[in-house]
Amino acid sequence: GQNIDQPTEMTATEGAIVQINCTYQTSGFNGLFWYQQHAGEAPTFLSYNVLDGLEEKGRFSSFLSRSKGYSYLLLKELQMKDSASYLCAVNDYKLSFGAGTTVTVRA
Amino acid sequence: GAVVSQHPSRVICKSGTSVKIECRSLDFQATTMFWYRQFPKQSLMLMATSNEGSKATYEQGVEKDKFLINHASLTLSTLTVTSAHPEDSSFYICSARDVQGGMNTEAFFGQGTRLTVV
Repeated sequence: GQNIDQPTEMTATEGAIVQINCTYQTSGFNGLFWYQQHAGEAPTFLSYNVLDGLEEKGRFSSFLSRSKGYSYLLLKELQMKDSASYLCAVNDYKLSFGAGTTVTVRA
Repeated sequence: GAVVSQHPSRVICKSGTSVKIECRSLDFQATTMFWYRQFPKQSLMLMATSNEGSKATYEQGVEKDKFLINHASLTLSTLTVTSAHPEDSSFYICSARDVQGGMNTEAFFGQGTRLTVV
């Protein structure tokens, strides 16, 4: 079976940094995706990790440790528009999603 | 990035009727499309995997006779909710992968369909 855990909610201040952790125990693994989803909209792609280490893309970075079954998404220089749900998804041909972490950015 | 178009974005139907949702990949070919369902403040739950030219593979607990999936071409998959009931009200989202990209390519999502059964 698939077991993917993320915190439910996080709150941070504009300009700050927030780290969203994701732990997984899955029957198969071919990488991990991070998606952003605003309320009532479809998810949009943020990052993909298949090898251990850090992937940086502008204000967003994602880290993967396959041996630990662990990933995190790092959001820097937070902006109000970053308030959204962030989903980690394990890739095993089909994507299995965590429950999502709702990030609220406050002024 | 690639575009997946899902239609309609919102639909309200009467209990007992059927609703068809279309998912099209506009600028790439997708041998495989995935259909998800999402309840408020919950994650995306995979309902079924749709393969072009063959029968869909349904996840455990998903009624295949209620949620009919057809993937007739490399760019179109449809989900039909038959004999809809209020408990079928949900947000339905499709996603597709570029057939040439392999397993490690990102999945592109449609805009989602908000179904309300009254």
